[in-house]
Amino acid sequence: GAVVSQHPSWVICKSGTSVKIECRSLDFQATTMFWYRQFPKQSLMLMATSNEGSKATYEQGVEKDKFLINHASLTLSTLTVTSAHPEDSSFYICSVPKSQRGGYTFGSGTRLTVV
Amino acid sequence: SQQGEEDPQALSIQEGENATMNCSYKTSINNLQWYRQNSGRGLVHLILIRSNEREKHSGRLRVTLDTSKKSSSLLITASRAADTASYFCATDPNTGGFKTIFGAGTRLFVKA
Repeated sequence: GAVVSQHPSWVICKSGTSVKIECRSLDFQATTMFWYRQFPKQSLMLMATSNEGSKATYEQGVEKDKFLINHASLTLSTLTVTSAHPEDSSFYICSVPKSQRGGYTFGSGTRLTVV
Repeated sequence: SQQGEEDPQALSIQEGENATMNCSYKTSINNLQWYRQNSGRGLVHLILIRSNEREKHSGRLRVTLDTSKKSSSLLITASRAADTASYFCATDPNTGGFKTIFGAGTRLFVKA
């Protein structure tokens, strides 16, 4: 079945620095990937849709200059949180559509803590 | 805004009992999915039910879908302590594209 690898699983960074999170589809090609953010005990909120070879589509209220998405290949999408601040501390998860079967395969998530 | 709303928000049961979680949504859908999330982990896809299906089974899981009421239920039979997790429903709205919208989730705690 579809396997999605997300890295790192957790990261602590200083305020003002940038953090890159990777999402890889290991056994299939993904033209589309999704990035979500989840605050404690809350649901997943879609941040953006990552499209291979083109610009990402951001949801309303998500700053595209702060959350840079690059989908340069069919197996890798990256999310870079630029100039991170404590309010960016959250759980970030990527997902990939399961194609014709429906549903999505999720990465294991990245816990970002900005201090 | 969230498409799905799970009910209850939290549920605590004894091992061996059945757990029922409900999900309501607002717009017409292509399909509805249920996921499980263990604390601090990614989501695991449990089951997908299409808009033309009414019931689906997978092991100890039973999902129903009532498109007239825009609601779905997830039943876990003979629960185990390992079923302790948060459960989310998600819908693919019938508006084209992939956009999936998640409900707030039900936190299930199964006591051994």
